[in-house]
Amino acid sequence: NAGVTQTPKFQVLKTGQSMTLQCAQDMNHEYMSWYRQDPGMGLRLIHYSVGAGITDQGEVPNGYNVSRSTTEDFPLRLLSAAPSQTSVYFCASSYNSGGNSPLHFGNGTRLTVT
Amino acid sequence: GQQVMQIPQYQHVQEGEDFTTYCNSSTTLSNIQWYKQRPGGHPVFLIQLVKSGEVKKQKRLTFQFGEAKKNSSLHITATQTTDVGTYFCAGPGNAGNMLTFGGGTRLMVKP
Repeated sequence: NAGVTQTPKFQVLKTGQSMTLQCAQDMNHEYMSWYRQDPGMGLRLIHYSVGAGITDQGEVPNGYNVSRSTTEDFPLRLLSAAPSQTSVYFCASSYNSGGNSPLHFGNGTRLTVT
Repeated sequence: GQQVMQIPQYQHVQEGEDFTTYCNSSTTLSNIQWYKQRPGGHPVFLIQLVKSGEVKKQKRLTFQFGEAKKNSSLHITATQTTDVGTYFCAGPGNAGNMLTFGGGTRLMVKP
C-alpha cells in the first residue's frame, strides 16, 4: 500500500493563478481531509469529506474548493492564489469519522505564492 | 468552537533529560490523539486515549488522559536525539467529524 499520496511536493505560483493539489489514498478510507500548516499555527483544517459525494468546510475554507467524486481521490483547488496561501498543505485520511480514528497523512505539498 | 491548547510551544533539553508537553481542551473530549512530526516530515500517529484517567506507555513515552477528559500529557523519559520533532495533540471537533489540533510543542535535544 502506498498510503496517502500527494502531488506535487513543491509548487510556486504567482498571485491570481489557480492550481489543484492532488491527493489519493489506497486504504479504502471513507474520511479524507486537507490541512494547512503555518509556522506557530499548528495544523488547521481546510475542508473534509466523510465519503464520496460529500464535502464540508473546516476551520479555514475561504479561497479553496474540494470535490470527492471517488473514495480514493480528494483534490484541493486554489481558485486565485494569494500570498496568504503560502503554506505547507497536508492531505490526511482515516477509516471513519476524522474525530475518532487515527489520521494517515501524506508527505505534504509546500506551496509558495509570490 | 472547541479549542485545543498546548504548552510549552518550544522546549530545549539536554539529551538524557525528561520532557513533558501538556494539552488542554475547552470542552470534554471523547478521545485524544497524539502525533509526532519530524523536521521536514509529516505528522505520524502515536496513540489514542479514550478512557478517563487512562495511562498508556510506549517505551520511554507515557501518555495520560485527565479524569475530566479535558486535558492530556505526553512525558518522555531520558530524551534521545531521535525524539526531536514537534508533538501535537488532537481532539474531535464539535461535530465529531473533524480533528482539531493543538499548536504543537517543538522539542529540541542537545547531544
